[in-house]
Amino acid sequence: NAGVTQTPKFRVLKTGQSMTLLCAQDMNHEYMYWYRQDPGMGLRLIHYSVGEGTTAKGEVPDGYNVSRLKKQNFLLGLESAAPSQTSVYFCASSYSTVLAGDNEQFFGPGTRLTVL
Amino acid sequence: AQSVAQPEDQVNVAEGNPLTVKCTYSVSGNPYLFWYVQYPNRGLQFLLKYITGDNLVKGSYGFEAEFNKSQTSFHLKKPSALVSDSALYFCAVTIRGGSYIPTFGRGTSLIVHP
Repeated sequence: NAGVTQTPKFRVLKTGQSMTLLCAQDMNHEYMYWYRQDPGMGLRLIHYSVGEGTTAKGEVPDGYNVSRLKKQNFLLGLESAAPSQTSVYFCASSYSTVLAGDNEQFFGPGTRLTVL
Repeated sequence: AQSVAQPEDQVNVAEGNPLTVKCTYSVSGNPYLFWYVQYPNRGLQFLLKYITGDNLVKGSYGFEAEFNKSQTSFHLKKPSALVSDSALYFCAVTIRGGSYIPTFGRGTSLIVHP
């Protein structure tokens, strides 16, 4: 199993450009998440999904959109990139269970995005 | 509401010495607690979790953590540190029967000196 994969690994954008980050998982997980990681800030949740066709806002959703058309894929879009979106972006996935919240997350390797 | 505090930005320890990375939490209810490790330029990796039962939880790479309900803590420990343990460590919490979205601490950088 490949686990959680992310493409691209690196990207440089100019202010105002758009791009889509792709996350794919082959573990049949229901839940998927997008985080950004900035120095001294830890991980901040951008958007998440509890199943195919559903998405919800996290802690820092402004400037981002997401889609989950297929269970295995979770896309993160930046419509008009800003320098404040320079960050490392991580996708994660996890199982859903009756108890909920008791399963660990599996993380992708990250995408390092620079917006000039 | 739920929150996690990792009071130390950085922990330094000599190789072969025991290590402790601290985590305290605040939840309204019973917690599920997790530790993750992040090596440079990599994603987070799950180390161990406390769900219920024995307060001492053993995980990957010789790490363990002790759940202390009265002190609302879940400190990560290892009896003998290795240089290869140097990494960023994150504590996370969810609430039993509550939000399944984990809250992460800000991370603690562990540096093990040869």
